[in-house]
Amino acid sequence: TQLLEQSPQFLSIQEGENLTVYCNSSSVFSSLQWYRQEPGEGPVLLVTVVTGGEVKKLKRLTFQFGDARKDSSLHITAAQPGDTGLYLCAGAAAGNNRKLIWGLGTSLAVNP
Amino acid sequence: NAGVTQTPKFRILKIGQSMTLQCTQDMNHNYMYWYRQDPGMGLKLIYYSVGAGITDKGEVPNGYNVSRSTTEDFPLRLELAAPSQTSVYFCASKLTGVNTEAFFGQGTRLTVV
Repeated sequence: TQLLEQSPQFLSIQEGENLTVYCNSSSVFSSLQWYRQEPGEGPVLLVTVVTGGEVKKLKRLTFQFGDARKDSSLHITAAQPGDTGLYLCAGAAAGNNRKLIWGLGTSLAVNP
Repeated sequence: NAGVTQTPKFRILKIGQSMTLQCTQDMNHNYMYWYRQDPGMGLKLIYYSVGAGITDKGEVPNGYNVSRSTTEDFPLRLELAAPSQTSVYFCASKLTGVNTEAFFGQGTRLTVV
C-alpha cells in the first residue's frame, strides 16, 4: 500500500514567519499535487509537480519535488493570516492514474 | 460553470435510516470520487468511478454503495446509518490522466445520532 506521510500535522506561527511542510513516501510517484482546504470548503489545487527536482513558485509559496520523485515540500515565506488552512499533498502512483494517494494534511494557523 | 455540486450541505440522520448524497458535475469528467473527511484528518476514499457504468471500492467502502448511470452523476447511498458514518463527505471529479486537477464539491456534513 502506498502511503504519503505529511509533517508536521499541526503548525501555529506568527505572521511574517517562514515555514516548510513535508510530504514523504517510500514509493515513486508520477506526479505530486498540493491542495489547500479552507474551513467548510473542498480542497483546491495549488500546484502539480511532475519532474524529479522540479521547483515551482506561486507568489510566496515554493514547491519542490524530490529528485527521486518520492517526496515533496512546500515552503511559505513571510506567512500571512490568509495562508491559514489545511494543506494536503496527493500523489499519482506510477502506472495508476485512477486514484490519488492523499497525505493526512498539515493544519496551518497564521496568527496576526 | 457550476463545477461539482453536492446536495444536501447538511443532514442529520437517525441510526438505521438511509439516505443518498447527490453529486453532479458539468465538466464532462470521466473520473469521479467519494471521500470522507473526519475532523483534523485527511481524505479517505470510499468509492470511485472511471466512467459511466464502472465503479470500484476505495479504502473504506463498508456501509456505502454507489452507482454511475451517467457521466454527470455519482450518488452515494448509505443504507443503514451508523454513528461511525458521522463525517464530512466530499465528491470530486477529474479528467483522465496523471496530472489532472481534482475538482471538489463543497461537501456534505452528515451527523448520525
